[in-house]
Amino acid sequence: DTGVSQDPRHKITKRGQNVTFRCDPISEHNRLYWYRQTLGQGPEFLTYFQNEAQLEKSRLLSDRFSAERPKGSFSTLEIQRTEQGDSAMYLCASSFLAGVEDTQYFGPGTRLTVL
Amino acid sequence: GNSVTQMEGPVTLSEEAFLTINCTYTATGYPSLFWYVQYPGEGLQLLLKATKADDKGSNKGFEATYRKETTSFHLEKGSVQVSDSAVYFCALTLIYNQGGKLIFGQGTELSVKP
Repeated sequence: DTGVSQDPRHKITKRGQNVTFRCDPISEHNRLYWYRQTLGQGPEFLTYFQNEAQLEKSRLLSDRFSAERPKGSFSTLEIQRTEQGDSAMYLCASSFLAGVEDTQYFGPGTRLTVL
Repeated sequence: GNSVTQMEGPVTLSEEAFLTINCTYTATGYPSLFWYVQYPGEGLQLLLKATKADDKGSNKGFEATYRKETTSFHLEKGSVQVSDSAVYFCALTLIYNQGGKLIFGQGTELSVKP
């Protein structure tokens, strides 16, 4: 069990550019979550997948954001036309849903800075 | 709505002091409760959890008891170490009502001095 991994760990981009982040969950975990964390705040939910199906998206996820989990394994989060307000830590978590047990394990995060 | 409220930080303690970080919640159903810890520059690590009323979660000397009557899940440790310095997040999830997404408090920063 290698844990949840995220790539890249840091990304600096200019306003208006597109960025894509990748998350590799713990193998055999059927759920994958994306959260966003700004400085001094707790993480906020963005979206989640059960296998390859995207089941919920937060209102925080504007039209510029899109997430995929094409084969129910890794996931990507893309931000188009980045804005300075997108600067944050993007966290991925995975879990195995069994009954009411759904403990989420987090990756190290991708820190995005938009200049 | 569903929410989590934590005591404001930073909390500064001397090594071997007793720690309490208060956490209360509001939920429309029967949540599972969690404490996560975040060390500088890192993601969140699960510290402990409790899934029903009166359950006690424990790990690495930390404990928290799920109190339904007071809607609380306070984190305690009898003797803190410098290595416990981090930000602690209380969180809840409602599998049936919300699909399992975590709702976090704002975090409490703990600083332990030698």
